[in-house]
Amino acid sequence: EAQVTQNPRYLITVTGKKLTVTCSQNMNHEYMSWYRQDPGLGLRQIYYSMNVEVTDKGDVPEGYKVSRKEKRNFPLILESPSPNQTSLYFCASSSEPVGTDTQYFGPGTRLTVL
Amino acid sequence: EDQVTQSPEALRLQEGESSSLNCSYTVSGLRGLFWYRQDPGKGPEFLFTLYSAGEEKEKERLKATLTKKESFLHITAPKPEDSATYLCAVPGFGNEKLTFGTGTRLTIIP
Repeated sequence: EAQVTQNPRYLITVTGKKLTVTCSQNMNHEYMSWYRQDPGLGLRQIYYSMNVEVTDKGDVPEGYKVSRKEKRNFPLILESPSPNQTSLYFCASSSEPVGTDTQYFGPGTRLTVL
Repeated sequence: EDQVTQSPEALRLQEGESSSLNCSYTVSGLRGLFWYRQDPGKGPEFLFTLYSAGEEKEKERLKATLTKKESFLHITAPKPEDSATYLCAVPGFGNEKLTFGTGTRLTIIP
């Protein structure tokens, strides 16, 4: 089954404790993105990747890091989380650039930073 | 800066009561418009892409239309399973990003 998986699905942590949210897709897609979704603000792109070792900033990259060492995986790293990073996070992938092709979204990771 | 505004924020309809959701946008040059459906606790799921004014696409009870300034998602004789949040989005320059609206939360009452 074609899918994007994220782990963990739920996470409660404390300020400053480094964490990683994993994302994996099994569709051999070139393009992957991370979004955060906040009430009243909609989905906002954090980072995106066009291929292995090629990443770029989205609209809200501050406080986040990403890496793309393998085509299927695109982890999101919060090196020193803060309460304003409490949000619902989605990973997405597509075979073409996000503006030209269907994106497939993961189920989401709900993060709470205390 | 690209902007996408969706209205209404929430809509409650009786089963079978047709209506429309609106997505208005301000972009430097329209490169397409996407509609997604999002169920509670899940990621968005693709519905339609429209690329030029006048284009229409249909899927079951849903029909999406596009003008030069806005898009409509028409829902005909909705059923409770159509309850979801509907998101629209427009591509940015270079097609590396999407700007999403905040969505319309649709509730269909049996």
